Amino acid sequence: DAGITQSPRHKVTETGTPVTLRCHQTENHRYMYWYRQDPGHGLRLIHYSYGVKDTDKGEVSDGYSVSRSKTEDFLLTLESATSSQTSVYFCAISESDRGFEKLFFGSGTQLSVL
Amino acid sequence: SQELEQSPQSLIVQEGKNLTINCTSSKTLYGLYWYKQKYGEGLIFLMMLQKGGEEKSHEKITAKLDEKKQQSSLHITASQPSHAGIYLCGATLMEYGNKLVFGAGTILRVKS
Repeated sequence: DAGITQSPRHKVTETGTPVTLRCHQTENHRYMYWYRQDPGHGLRLIHYSYGVKDTDKGEVSDGYSVSRSKTEDFLLTLESATSSQTSVYFCAISESDRGFEKLFFGSGTQLSVL
Repeated sequence: SQELEQSPQSLIVQEGKNLTINCTSSKTLYGLYWYKQKYGEGLIFLMMLQKGGEEKSHEKITAKLDEKKQQSSLHITASQPSHAGIYLCGATLMEYGNKLVFGAGTILRVKS
């Protein structure tokens, strides 16, 4: 257990509403990530952060924004949720300061956009 | 991702049988990672391979990296029901600035 907590674990929302998912870590690791998992696609990187206020886009960043105002928290926001954003969202951290090595994942957030 | 192809997509094996899952990259690998996921849960890190020809084992699971073929294989010996789940390979690729991308996963079912 790498001390990663995701909240909420489940969320049902309506198209067009804003949604924020939270990832919290207890071990002050530099790198944090948001992935989404969909059948047939595996995991796809949405955004990642390499420090407070330092973030970068992944391969499926459109429609998502992130913020990291504290080392321990990484927030993912869907400004206006769409049905295509129904997915399972995973937060991850890297124990390495170089990032992208040996990631540890949270338990996931199941998001349904109706 | 399309850069990582896993095969097979799914398989069902009888308890006690051996099995192999493959992960092939279309781009140059920096590192190759294997994860296991149980239904409804997060991913559990299994192994990391970084050098051509490297082989690692954890209990009855062995992973190898063939640098020439840009391919990794995960082999489970004498499968047990506890091995059931989704196995995902992830890789850091030269073209993507070291970002970690994943294959689509292999669903493994073990029949008792």
